[in-house]
Amino acid sequence: GENVEQHPSTLSVQEGDSAVIKCTYSDSASNYFPWYKQELGKRPQLIIDIRSNVGEKKDQRIAVTLNKTAKHFSLHITETQPEDSAVYFCAHRPSGSARQLTFGSGTQLTVLP
Amino acid sequence: GAVVSQHPSWVICKSGTSVKIECRSLDFQATTMFWYRQFPKQSLMLMATSNEGSKATYEQGVEKDKFLINHASLTLSTLTVTSAHPEDSSFYICSARDSGAAGNHEQYFGPGTRLTVT
Repeated sequence: GENVEQHPSTLSVQEGDSAVIKCTYSDSASNYFPWYKQELGKRPQLIIDIRSNVGEKKDQRIAVTLNKTAKHFSLHITETQPEDSAVYFCAHRPSGSARQLTFGSGTQLTVLP
Repeated sequence: GAVVSQHPSWVICKSGTSVKIECRSLDFQATTMFWYRQFPKQSLMLMATSNEGSKATYEQGVEKDKFLINHASLTLSTLTVTSAHPEDSSFYICSARDSGAAGNHEQYFGPGTRLTVT
């Protein structure tokens, strides 16, 4: 199927700690896995993405890991800051989907100062 | 980077009226655009895929006669909510991919339109 499960739904961390959000998908042919950050009332902003031929990608404090065998991918944010507080969505593009993305249910991340 | 605009950013309308939302790719061409709906504290749900020069493809459960989509050019798609009802109140977001950028998987999102039906 095309669904993607995202956990946890809410996550609170202390400033400076790390945050990890995980998504699991079922379509083994999915080949693109982006992560979006959405602030209240704003558009989703792509923060990092990974393709199926790569296992890990990092951009400063943000990293994404992909385990194709287990069909899950995770977002890692290190040294969290209060401005990281937002809703984060994972997404994937199922095979044969004519390019649209299917989104996870979202994770409300709160970074406590 | 690529920019997608939406207009209006917010709209309030009375029940039974129709509302048109425009989605434009400003510096790239998009043969395909996507329309999402997002209710408060929920995820983005794909409503339909808009195809330039042809009929839109609607997701299961989305009424094509209620949500009219027109994609008349490579840079413009419109969504018309017909006979709007309070339950149609939501945040509508469009997105597009750059048709000319081979291998670029990124989808660019518009800023969204907040629709309130009274």
